[in-house]
Amino acid sequence: DAGVIQSPRHEVTEMGQEVTLRCKPISGHNSLFWYRQTMMRGLELLIYFNNNVPIDDSGMPEDRFSAKMPNASFSTLKIQPSEPRDSAVYFCASSRQGFGGNQPQHFGDGTRLSIL
Amino acid sequence: AQSVTQLDSHVSVSEGTPVLLRCNYSSSYSPSLFWYVQHPNKGLQLLLKYTSAATLVKGINGFEAEFKKSETSFHLTKPSAHMSDAAEYFCVVSDANTGGFKTIFGAGTRLFVKA
Repeated sequence: DAGVIQSPRHEVTEMGQEVTLRCKPISGHNSLFWYRQTMMRGLELLIYFNNNVPIDDSGMPEDRFSAKMPNASFSTLKIQPSEPRDSAVYFCASSRQGFGGNQPQHFGDGTRLSIL
Repeated sequence: AQSVTQLDSHVSVSEGTPVLLRCNYSSSYSPSLFWYVQHPNKGLQLLLKYTSAATLVKGINGFEAEFKKSETSFHLTKPSAHMSDAAEYFCVVSDANTGGFKTIFGAGTRLFVKA
């Protein structure tokens, strides 16, 4: 089975530019998660979707960040405008999430974002 | 409220010696517990999970963990470290709360393996 697929793997752009990160979850998984990982703050949950609906976006840093899941096989995380402090590795994960959260999450290999 | 504490930020062992990575948790309900491993430039990979079945859980690559409710611990062990085990390890707790579930990741323990 194909795992979680993220694109691009690396992105370097100048501050102020719009950045769009993409994720294809594992087929049949109904929960999708976006995380950000930095040395200083570790792994942070930004937002998660269940059945394509955003359930908890309390981790989204500010209005410059937005996430969508138009269908069960695709999600985007957008940053507009980008700032140097947004530089991090962004992970997407998906799971078959039952009640109580006893299903593991499957992670993509991440997008390494550098904002100059 | 949930929380998870990985007691060591770094652990260093020699190849062939045992590995112990410590994790304590708190949870108001019956939690599910997981260990993940992250190799450089990779996403997190599931090592093993506990979901209220056997308290000793075996995972991939020779790792296992024991759920001890009285000690609220879920330590990860391996009898003999291999160079390829050098990575970062995350302990994770997940359980139900009002309106859904919540998953908390520990801060991670970096494992160094010396030749």
